[in-house]
Amino acid sequence: DGGITQSPKYLFRKEGQNVTLSCEQNLNHDAMYWYRQDPGQGLRLIYYSQIVNDFQKGDIAEGYSVSREKKESFPLTVTSAQKNPTAFYLCASTGTGYNEQFFGPGTRLTVL
Amino acid sequence: AQSVTQLDSHVSVSEGTPVLLRCNYSSSYSPSLFWYVQHPNKGLQLLLKYTSAATLVKGINGFEAEFKKSETSFHLTKPSAHMSDAAEYFCVVRAGSSNTGKLIFGQGTTLQVKP
Repeated sequence: DGGITQSPKYLFRKEGQNVTLSCEQNLNHDAMYWYRQDPGQGLRLIYYSQIVNDFQKGDIAEGYSVSREKKESFPLTVTSAQKNPTAFYLCASTGTGYNEQFFGPGTRLTVL
Repeated sequence: AQSVTQLDSHVSVSEGTPVLLRCNYSSSYSPSLFWYVQHPNKGLQLLLKYTSAATLVKGINGFEAEFKKSETSFHLTKPSAHMSDAAEYFCVVRAGSSNTGKLIFGQGTTLQVKP
């Protein structure tokens, strides 16, 4: 089955630690996105990549970093510089011929 | 600049009655508009999309939305609510004309369905 997988589903981190969230897609999509969702709010864009080896900051990139070494993978690192990292993180992708973005199941990150 | 406003943060209906979730948008040109649904602790699923074709758009699970340029609205409706419709709904506009342009999300509307 084609789709987007995110792992892990739940993640716990101590303050001061970096943590990496995984996002993989087998849809052959060129563009991939990372969003953050906080309770009662819509999604906010962290980073996006429209092609391998290239990515751009979204609206709330501070404290986050990404890489796009392979078309199917777009990992997100939440660094210790991110002041309020506890949130639900969603990865999405889209490709040629599609107007919409397709979303993964999300990772809930909790900082202890 | 594009923006989207969902006029109700919470809507409560009885099972079997109509659903109306309201959305207004702002866009400097012909927008692409979407409604997504999110069940608790899940990813987002596309309900329907408007991309400058027919103004009345039919989606999955009996939902539909009408694009009204004069009112800058894209309200989501369903004739008869089902318990499984209880979820968070997001109205979304895409920035730019490229299909890879960023999405701009409304704040979301929580739909409660009472038995």
